[in-house]
Amino acid sequence: EPEVTQTPSHQVTQMGQEVILRCVPISNHLYFYWYRQILGQKVEFLVSFYNNEISEKSEIFDDQFSVERPDGSNFTLKIRSTKLEDSAMYFCASSEWAGVSPLHFGNGTRLTVT
Amino acid sequence: DAKTTQPTSMDCAEGRAANLPCNHSTISGNEYVYWYRQIHSQGPQYIIHGLKNNETNEMASLIITEDRKSSTLILPHATLRDTAVYYCIVRDTGANSKLTFGKGITLSVRP
Repeated sequence: EPEVTQTPSHQVTQMGQEVILRCVPISNHLYFYWYRQILGQKVEFLVSFYNNEISEKSEIFDDQFSVERPDGSNFTLKIRSTKLEDSAMYFCASSEWAGVSPLHFGNGTRLTVT
Repeated sequence: DAKTTQPTSMDCAEGRAANLPCNHSTISGNEYVYWYRQIHSQGPQYIIHGLKNNETNEMASLIITEDRKSSTLILPHATLRDTAVYYCIVRDTGANSKLTFGKGITLSVRP
């Protein structure tokens, strides 16, 4: 069964550094998402992306964050200058189309900012 | 904000059916009910979704009341691997169709 893959599984970085989290969505999917989950808290929506542009973003997704689909297969989340509070699990998801089509999630990247 | 209410936790015996309730009294006509689960800190796993008819797949059954104000996810024969947090989510199926997660219900399957 096709799945969403994320790399790396764990990323450790120092405060102020830039990080790029990578995702390969399911191949025929058109909608892409990033979520995060701080330890012990809810899964929170960050951004949705379709047709090479952001469809919707949350208040969390400020100017420090950006997303990109650099080629036909990868979907990336960049954090320009990481803060301690960015430490979390980051989940990528994709769906075949908007509306009813369910989101399928990857197993996440654990980001630790020291 | 999550539009659903779920108990905090429940448990069931291995091999028995697990019935997970969810209230969504403010659901509107174009909103579907979705269920996901999260095992440990893995990514949320899609289980099932429905609008108003009952649905069944290889993982579970979804029973939605006639007024659509509540639903029940049924795992027919729970195993230890079904221990997880289960999320009931009401989703607008418009263009901006993100999922909004609540706290979910922690299901513990005991041997």
